[in-house]
Amino acid sequence: AQTVTQSQPEMSVQEAETVTLSCTYDTSESDYYLFWYKQPPSRQMILVIRQEAYKQQNATENRFSVNFQKAAKSFSLKISDSQLGDAAMYFCAYSGGSNYKLTFGKGTLLTVNP
Amino acid sequence: DGGITQSPKYLFRKEGQNVTLSCEQNLNHDAMYWYRQDPGQGLRLIYYSQIVNDFQKGDIAEGYSVSREKKESFPLTVTSAQKNPTAFYLCASSIEGVAGIYEQYFGPGTRLTVT
Repeated sequence: AQTVTQSQPEMSVQEAETVTLSCTYDTSESDYYLFWYKQPPSRQMILVIRQEAYKQQNATENRFSVNFQKAAKSFSLKISDSQLGDAAMYFCAYSGGSNYKLTFGKGTLLTVNP
Repeated sequence: DGGITQSPKYLFRKEGQNVTLSCEQNLNHDAMYWYRQDPGQGLRLIYYSQIVNDFQKGDIAEGYSVSREKKESFPLTVTSAQKNPTAFYLCASSIEGVAGIYEQYFGPGTRLTVT
């Protein structure tokens, strides 16, 4: 079974600084997708960024980028120029195989200090 | 506006009662999902449905039931057999997008408290 591990239960960053959230996963599939979701205090889950495993190029979305290391099964999220609105729980998620299920990590709570 | 609605936002029930959580989407998505979220945990999949009149158990289906009679609707019933039903419940839907990715879009959730 696929597993997703987020080793940092909590992280903090100063406003305008850069922070990296870690995620590792375990799978025997060769074709899969990885996601980072954000859950602010409203508890609405918001898709931040996605990565296709067959792509070597790391995905970027404005201030958000990933470092995808397929051999190491690592998928970290970098947030640049952190803003107060980035404060949230961040979940790493995996989807692969013949179904469309998402497997989530337990999350990292990010605090942004002014 | 297109989106996923869940009602109600907060729900209170007495132990031993069944309760049904609503999930409706107008995104024309084929697949729908139910997740449970507990403090300190990620989301865990309860049930999912890839097409009308068909659904599959997820990782924690015991004590729950679903139906998928319409494409737009995927209600979840929490039965009295569910030992620890108090939790935050999230509904999601998805459709095949770019490069075959099935991105999931989430509703606002329902907080269920059973006493």
